[in-house]
Amino acid sequence: GAGVSQSPSNKVTEKGKDVELRCDPISGHTALYWYRQSLGQGLEFLIYFQGNSAPDKSGLPSDRFSAERTGGSVSTLTIQRTQQEDSAVYLCASSSSTSKETQYFGPGTRLLVL
Amino acid sequence: AQSVTQLGSHVSVSEGALVLLRCNYSSSVPPYLFWYVQYPNQGLQLLLKYTSAATLVKGINGFEAEFKKSETSFHLTKPSAHMSDAAEYFCAVRNSGGYQKVTFGTGTKLQVIP
Repeated sequence: GAGVSQSPSNKVTEKGKDVELRCDPISGHTALYWYRQSLGQGLEFLIYFQGNSAPDKSGLPSDRFSAERTGGSVSTLTIQRTQQEDSAVYLCASSSSTSKETQYFGPGTRLLVL
Repeated sequence: AQSVTQLGSHVSVSEGALVLLRCNYSSSVPPYLFWYVQYPNQGLQLLLKYTSAATLVKGINGFEAEFKKSETSFHLTKPSAHMSDAAEYFCAVRNSGGYQKVTFGTGTKLQVIP
């Protein structure tokens, strides 16, 4: 079966523009997570969705960041008015209800803000 | 609150030598612990996980890790390094039970010298 997919794989944008990053989780996985990986740093939790529950947004760094998950499947992470410090790899992961503790990661989207 | 500390951002070993990557955790409740590997330009792949069963956990590619509660450690080892083991390794912790955030360490880059 297919793993977690993310698009685009690379994105270059100008400071001040908005960007949308997409994540397709593994089919049937009920939980979806977004992380940010900056150069030389670990993974920073951003947000997670679990079924129809309210998402845990506690990791979003500012109100320029938002995410939604439509139909319990695909998720979009939106960054408004991008700043250079937003440049990073954005990783998405999903997990199933039968193995909640194990997250499966996508290949990431490399975002470069010029 | 939960956290992990990985000692050594870079580790170099000779091919055939023992690999030891250190991880110490902090958690207020019984934790689940993970090691992930990230190859260049790829997402994270689960190497192994501890979920309160056996304290010695065996993973893929010949890696294993031992949960030591008294030392709050979960060090990753492999008896003999291969060139293909060169990658970045992340230790992670989450609280047990239900869906929980995962907290990642800052990573250790493993270099294998021929």
